[in-house]
Amino acid sequence: EVQLVESGGGLVKPGGSLRLSCAASGFTFSNAWMSWVRQAPGKGLEWVGRIKSKTDGGTTDYAAPVKGRFTISRDDSKNTLYLQMNSLKTEDTAVYYCTTVGRSIAARPGYYYYYYYMDVWGKGTTVTVSS
Amino acid sequence: DIQMTQSPSSVSASVGDRVTITCRASQGISSWLAWYQQKPGKAPKLLIYAASSLQSGVPSRFSGSGSGTDFTLTISSLQPEDFATYYCQQANSFTWTFGQGTKVEIK
Repeated sequence: EVQLVESGGGLVKPGGSLRLSCAASGFTFSNAWMSWVRQAPGKGLEWVGRIKSKTDGGTTDYAAPVKGRFTISRDDSKNTLYLQMNSLKTEDTAVYYCTTVGRSIAARPGYYYYYYYMDVWGKGTTVTVSS
Repeated sequence: DIQMTQSPSSVSASVGDRVTITCRASQGISSWLAWYQQKPGKAPKLLIYAASSLQSGVPSRFSGSGSGTDFTLTISSLQPEDFATYYCQQANSFTWTFGQGTKVEIK
């Protein structure tokens, strides 16, 4: 069974740092693209960022509100995804979800491409930024 | 960033009703669109990907359509377990974005 378990959430003061972890099991983690999504209390979903597999370059992309403050990384030897959060603001208060990124291939004459989506979600970990 | 706008923000419906939720992208995203269902206190669940492909295990009463900028999620016959909030999400650009959500409530 594919499983994602987030940890590391807690209470932190504005300007502080926190590192979230996501332990993955039930699939070949090293081949997977992964992402983080957050949800502020009573609000909608907000995509945070994504990391590709190392075989696909291991590159990262981030949403504008967190770019330059948050860093996504992975340790394929530990089947673990990380979210390092620095310079935290009160507006970063949210439940943080780890997800796998699924891919569906679409073929056209002479080329192909992928559709991407977030197909498996963890239960989330809560981060509260408050003085 | 590509903005995603859902309508309505909420809808009241009865069991057995047909429910349609729309999602509009601020620029063309081809079929790079997914739909998710979220129940209170739970993680979101993938329903539809590539605008119209049903995720494995999702009931066939859910369907998605559209391409370019306008998309639709339809629940053909609303069941008690379908009362939830639904989100669209684009994956066309390097940065992904969600719609603001549509809450389906009991009438």
